[in-house]
Amino acid sequence: AQSVTQLDSHVSVSEGTPVLLRCNYSSSYSPSLFWYVQHPNKGLQLLLKYTSAATLVKGINGFEAEFKKSETSFHLTKPSAHMSDAAEYFCVVSDQSGGFKTIFGAGTRLFVKA
Amino acid sequence: NAGVTQTPKFQVLKTGQSMTLQCAQDMNHEYMSWYRQDPGMGLRLIHYSVGAGITDQGEVPNGYNVSRSTTEDFPLRLLSAAPSQTSVYFCASSYGSGMNTDTQYFGPGTRLTVL
Repeated sequence: AQSVTQLDSHVSVSEGTPVLLRCNYSSSYSPSLFWYVQHPNKGLQLLLKYTSAATLVKGINGFEAEFKKSETSFHLTKPSAHMSDAAEYFCVVSDQSGGFKTIFGAGTRLFVKA
Repeated sequence: NAGVTQTPKFQVLKTGQSMTLQCAQDMNHEYMSWYRQDPGMGLRLIHYSVGAGITDQGEVPNGYNVSRSTTEDFPLRLLSAAPSQTSVYFCASSYGSGMNTDTQYFGPGTRLTVL
């Protein structure tokens, strides 16, 4: 069975400093991994995804994530936070077990201080 | 393209009432799904469909029905609303027929309160 754990429910950074949002996953198959962002009162938008190609994945708005199979991790990073990055971020795992089932992490809320 | 649209944006129901949340997409996507979002729990899959006429249960299907008569529409029906169904509901669609690599496109959500 697949599962995903976001290690921090809240992360607070200052504008211009690096962002690290941590995600660990469990999957019996070769998983696809996604990061989605949700701005307040909005739907979710894809930031980036890993689908068994390059392990370092670049997404929109300067975000990237690295798939580390040995550590079962898919952490999201950004070198320099911007005020507009304040949002909730979801790590998502999807694999072929039991049909098309997508499992969302509980989310990490990112606060950016001026 | 309008993408994925949902109506209504907000709804208040009394316990025992029924209602239908509407979802439509204009991207000719085969796969559509419904999620509920509750604080601290991420999104949980309620029902999904891999094409017109085909639906299946997700993680939390009890109390909800779906149908898929057209590619574009995927309504979610609450049969007899309960306070536990107070949540934000998101509809999503993706291009493939259930490929786990597909990007999902989300609607703006429906905020439902059951009193």
